[in-house]
Amino acid sequence: DGGITQSPKYLFRKEGQNVTLSCEQNLNHDAMYWYRQDPGQGLRLIYYSQIVNDFQKGDIAEGYSVSREKKESFPLTVTSAQKNPTAFYLCASREAVHPYNEQFFGPGTRLTVL
Amino acid sequence: AQKVTQAQTEISVVEKEDVTLDCVYETRDTTYYLFWYKQPPSGELVFLIRRNSFDEQNEISGRYSWNFQKSTSSFNFTITASQVVDSAVYFCALCSGNTGKLIFGQGTTLQVKP
Repeated sequence: DGGITQSPKYLFRKEGQNVTLSCEQNLNHDAMYWYRQDPGQGLRLIYYSQIVNDFQKGDIAEGYSVSREKKESFPLTVTSAQKNPTAFYLCASREAVHPYNEQFFGPGTRLTVL
Repeated sequence: AQKVTQAQTEISVVEKEDVTLDCVYETRDTTYYLFWYKQPPSGELVFLIRRNSFDEQNEISGRYSWNFQKSTSSFNFTITASQVVDSAVYFCALCSGNTGKLIFGQGTTLQVKP
């Protein structure tokens, strides 16, 4: 089955630690995205990548980093510089041929800072 | 600036009632797309519909229908004869430009009671 997987589903972090969230897709999509969702709010874009070895900051990139070494993988690192990292993180991908193609989302990772 | 507003934070209806979810958007672009996504309790966003700025025809898919009016910058979503399984958070989103970035509204939580 084609789709997007995110791991882990739940993640707990102590203050001052970096953590990496995994996102893998087997849809052969060129473009991938990371969003953050806070309670009662919409999704906000953290980083996106339209091609391997290239990525751009979204609206709330501070305290986060990404890499795109492989087409199918787009891991997100939440660094200790992120002041309020507790949130639900969603990864998405899209066929890049047309910029308006719908994005497909993974099941999300819920990060809690203890 | 681009913006999507979903003024209804929460809506509660009884099963079989019709319900309309409002979405108002702002953009200066002449070419753009509008989307609706459903987020069930599991957390994963599910794509429902995409509409481009040049197509103002209403769309019906089973119990779902969408009304796009450029004159009022609105893209409203109606569920006819609601069911308990329709309970979810619904997001409206706007996309323009060539990056595929989605601008999300705050979401509307729909609760359908039996």
